[in-house]
Amino acid sequence: DAGVTQSPTHLIKTRGQHVTLRCSPISGHKSVSWYQQVLGQGPQFIFQYYEKEERGRGNFPDRFSARQFPNYSSELNVNALLLGDSALYLCASSLYGNSNQPQHFGDGTRLSIL
Amino acid sequence: KNEVEQSPQNLTAQEGEFITINCSYSVGISALHWLQQHPGGGIVSLFMLSSGKKKHGRLIATINIQEKHSSLHITASHPRDSAVYICAVVSGEGDTDKLIFGTGTRLQVFP
Repeated sequence: DAGVTQSPTHLIKTRGQHVTLRCSPISGHKSVSWYQQVLGQGPQFIFQYYEKEERGRGNFPDRFSARQFPNYSSELNVNALLLGDSALYLCASSLYGNSNQPQHFGDGTRLSIL
Repeated sequence: KNEVEQSPQNLTAQEGEFITINCSYSVGISALHWLQQHPGGGIVSLFMLSSGKKKHGRLIATINIQEKHSSLHITASHPRDSAVYICAVVSGEGDTDKLIFGTGTRLQVFP
């Protein structure tokens, strides 16, 4: 079975642009979470979606938004990009909406802002 | 102060050495994950535990809920174990719980 897939793998943008990152969960998984990992730091929680509804949101500005589609795939959108948005964006999927179960991570999208 | 602290931040070892990575947390948790991150960025889940001890191959994870501390041990370390090891705790309850991550321990094992 395919694992969690994220696209694109790498992306270069300039300040002020917007970006859309995509995540396909493992087949059968209904929850998708998004994390931002700045170089040298641990991941930070951005969003969690379960059954197409937002279940949680981390301490990120409104420039960050996400959604989950009927097939449980998800998109993370970031508007008005800043230099500080440069990071590895990770997606994780799980069967249900709580975090005390195995989490399956994708390889991430590395976003660079020039 | 971070809610999840790991030590050491960096660790070097010779092949075959026994390795211990520590994780302390200051919040109430329902479970704790140990994760492995390779240079490319992808993260692999190693363990999830809420009490006691788990073992998988050369890896052992323990947790002491009363002391708010967990350890990851690697026996007979090998260069392929070189990676960043991240501790993440599950904080909150039910539908609103979330993962809080430590900053990771970078392990390098030399032949």
